[in-house]
Amino acid sequence: DVKVTQSSRYLVKRTGEKVFLECVQDMDHENMFWYRQDPGLGLRLIYFSYDVKMKEKGDIPEGYSVSREKKERFSLILESASTNQTSMYLCASTSSGVLGYTFGSGTRLTVV
Amino acid sequence: AQRVTQPEKLLSVFKGAPVELKCNYSYSGSPELFWYVQYSRQRLQLLLRHISRESIKGFTADLNKGETSFHLKKPFAQEEDSAMYYCALEGSNYQLIWGAGTKLIIKP
Repeated sequence: DVKVTQSSRYLVKRTGEKVFLECVQDMDHENMFWYRQDPGLGLRLIYFSYDVKMKEKGDIPEGYSVSREKKERFSLILESASTNQTSMYLCASTSSGVLGYTFGSGTRLTVV
Repeated sequence: AQRVTQPEKLLSVFKGAPVELKCNYSYSGSPELFWYVQYSRQRLQLLLRHISRESIKGFTADLNKGETSFHLKKPFAQEEDSAMYYCALEGSNYQLIWGAGTKLIIKP
C-alpha cells in the first residue's frame, strides 16, 4: 500500500546534466515537500508546494527548481547537476501537519 | 527563531537498558512536536506526535514547556529499536523544522 512513490531508488548522473526526480502520491494531499538528507545535517527543505502550480522556496533552493502541474505529482529538477548535489532526496506529503508526513522511499543521487 | 536541537548524533545503549533521546526546541507559540524514525533501508515514518499523547512501540515523549524539551523515552531498549530518530516541530504552512537526528544503536 505504497502511498508516496519516488520514481528512482538510485541515480547516477554526470556533472552538468539536467536531472528530474519524480514523486507521486495517491492520498489527495495538498501539501508536498522535497528534502535532501545528509548525515549530520538532518533534513533540509528544498521546495514545497501547497497546491497545484504553487511552489515556495525552502531553506536550500539554489540549484533546484520544481514543478507541480497535477495535485498528485511533484517534480524536483536539478538544472545543472553538480557534485555537491550528491545526496539522498526525500519527497513527502501531508494534508494536515498534525497527521504527520508520509515519505517516499528516497532517491539516492550520485553526481560524478 | 524556530529551531530543533538534538544534541546527540549517536547514542549507544545495551539491550534492556533505558533509552532517552533528547530534543529541545525554540518556538514562540504553542508547539506541535513529532518524532520520526528511519529504520535501516526503510522510509522515514512518523513514530509519535505530542498531540496524541500516545505510546508507540514502547516509546513515549512528554512535552515540557518549561524546559522546551520533547525527549523520547523507552524503559527497556530492544535491538529492533536501532534506527535514526528525528525530532520535528511544526512551523507555518505545515512545514516541519527538523533536528539533525540521533542514530540509536542497541547493543546485544
